[in-house]
Amino acid sequence: GAVVSQHPSRVICKSGTSVKIECRSLDFQATTMFWYRQFPKQSLMLMATSNEGSKATYEQGVEKDKFLINHASLTLSTLTVTSAHPEDSSFYICSAREEGFNNSPLHFGNGTRLTVT
Amino acid sequence: AQSVSQHNHHVILSEAASLELGCNYSYGGTVNLFWYVQYPGQHLQLLLKYFSGDPLVKGIKGFEAEFIKSKFSFNLRKPSVQWSDTAEYFCAVNPPDNYGQNFVFGPGTRLSVLP
Repeated sequence: GAVVSQHPSRVICKSGTSVKIECRSLDFQATTMFWYRQFPKQSLMLMATSNEGSKATYEQGVEKDKFLINHASLTLSTLTVTSAHPEDSSFYICSAREEGFNNSPLHFGNGTRLTVT
Repeated sequence: AQSVSQHNHHVILSEAASLELGCNYSYGGTVNLFWYVQYPGQHLQLLLKYFSGDPLVKGIKGFEAEFIKSKFSFNLRKPSVQWSDTAEYFCAVNPPDNYGQNFVFGPGTRLSVLP
């Protein structure tokens, strides 16, 4: 079945560095992918909607210049956390739906745990 | 393998019918539990969550869920559905740290409410 692969699953980086997280749809095309984050003891929060070939749509309060989203192909969206700080430590997860199938299920990646030291 | 399961892939109800969507998980220990809804063309929205305390959790839009630890279940209920409840519903779990998984979604249940 359709699978969304998210990489890396865990990453530790130093403050001030940038981290790239990839979200791939392995056997289907996805024009739209969603990026979420979860802080400890809280629910998922939508960060942005990634649109293939165009700019991402960011939710209010999410810094566009800090969380760079690129959706260059129908199977890949990337989230880059630039100049990471400890407060960016969180769990990030992407999701995607097969294009052209209104009743197709929504698929989730396994998520990425980012720790900024 | 550790997982989250939802009993029904697609549920079809008439307006005013009662709803119960099943969710079971296979993780031992303390878990956080969530129900999310995704309306057509929109992103996930949180319906309700359980971290601790009263196992009967009330959420938005008249939804509630009951955590039954002995059954590893967290079923979602609504006494009377409306056409506007047509959406996909996802159960999700934060497993305990020792499982090495961060956040696990069930496969989802599509609810269609007929007017």
